[in-house]
Amino acid sequence: GQNIDQPTEMTATEGAIVQINCTYQTSGFNGLFWYQQHAGEAPTFLSYNVLDGLEEKGRFSSFLSRSKGYSYLLLKELQMKDSASYLCATMDSNYQLIWGAGTKLIIKP
Amino acid sequence: IAGITQAPTSQILAAGRRMTLRCTQDMRHNAMYWYRQDLGLGLRLIHYSNTAGTTGKGEVPDGYSVSRANTDDFPLTLASAVPSQTSVYFCASSFSGTPGNEQFFGPGTRLTVL
Repeated sequence: GQNIDQPTEMTATEGAIVQINCTYQTSGFNGLFWYQQHAGEAPTFLSYNVLDGLEEKGRFSSFLSRSKGYSYLLLKELQMKDSASYLCATMDSNYQLIWGAGTKLIIKP
Repeated sequence: IAGITQAPTSQILAAGRRMTLRCTQDMRHNAMYWYRQDLGLGLRLIHYSNTAGTTGKGEVPDGYSVSRANTDDFPLTLASAVPSQTSVYFCASSFSGTPGNEQFFGPGTRLTVL
């Protein structure tokens, strides 16, 4: 079966670093996406990984290990506006996105 | 229009009624998608269209139908609404349905079926 696992909720402090993990089992693999979703709003694209390794984009970085079925999103220098849900999704062999339930990140001052 | 829009923003509907959720994009994207998002669950794909004139079934298509008469519009119809279809519905689009193409989401429609 297809499955995406990520923690339900995490708490971090403003200015700190947080790592949100995602493990996946899907039929076929055509890349992994991270999206950010603020409460009551639409998801917005953060990153896409298809090869192993770390992709850095400003304060956000995303890592992929295809052999381990594992990815993480790293957020540095946390700001209050980073309080949101972070959604992990993989693209399967049918080119459809399989989504995790999301990780709600709470930032405390 | 800039990007992708959905209408209505929210709706309360009696069970058994027919309802069409509208979605329009002006980015000339070939692929479009309908998802539902329920608390504690990931986004689930209802239907998709890789290009105008074609549609396909996603993970949870039962009770829903779509059409893609042109590039810009992708309406979702609930023929006879049931309470289990209470959800937030997101329309999305991407340049194509192939790997590497990010999906852009509309603001969502919050639907309550009583």
